[in-house]
Amino acid sequence: EVQLVESGGGLVQPGGSLRLSCAASGFTFSSYTMNWVRQAPGKGLEWVSYLSSGSTTIYDADSVKGRFSISRDNARNSLYLQMNSLRDEDTAVYYCARSSGSHLSLFDSWGQGTLVTVSS
Amino acid sequence: DIQMTQSPSSVSASVGDRVTITCRASQSVTSWLAWYQQKPGQAPKLLIYAASTLQSGVSSRFSGSGSGTDFTLTISSLQPEDFATYYCQQGHSFPLTFGGGTRVDIK
Repeated sequence: EVQLVESGGGLVQPGGSLRLSCAASGFTFSSYTMNWVRQAPGKGLEWVSYLSSGSTTIYDADSVKGRFSISRDNARNSLYLQMNSLRDEDTAVYYCARSSGSHLSLFDSWGQGTLVTVSS
Repeated sequence: DIQMTQSPSSVSASVGDRVTITCRASQSVTSWLAWYQQKPGQAPKLLIYAASTLQSGVSSRFSGSGSGTDFTLTISSLQPEDFATYYCQQGHSFPLTFGGGTRVDIK
């Protein structure tokens, strides 16, 4: 069974930093493209970042470009999101999402999410 | 960026009803379209990909159609467990974008 478990969320002040982690199990992590998707409280879904299986291809949403950095450690079956210069509008539940093997830009499995709150 | 517009934003329906949700893209996404279901407090779940392909394990009362800019998700006979919010998402080009969501609640 595919499992994705996010961690690292919490309360941080504007301008601060946070690193999210996603632990993957139940599939060959190194073979799959991975993503971060977020959802502000009471709002819809927003794609954040995309990282190919071998870390050769990265895409970021304009809203986080230059501030957030996606990475992975295939030996540890883990995905990361380094978030710097955090803003109030970054407050959201952050989901780790696996790309479909056949359709890399669609998401076939999701974690339960970790809440990031940016507030002074 | 490709804008995804869903309608209606909410719908009230009864168990057994047929429910149709539409999603329109601001430019062609060919068949690079997925539908997700999200229940309160839960992560989204993939229902349909490639516009009309049912994800493994998903009930056959869900179906998708369309290509280009206009897409439809149909629930043939609404069940109690189907009350949720539904999102479309285009995977044709970056940035990947979602529709605003359609909430399906009990009439």
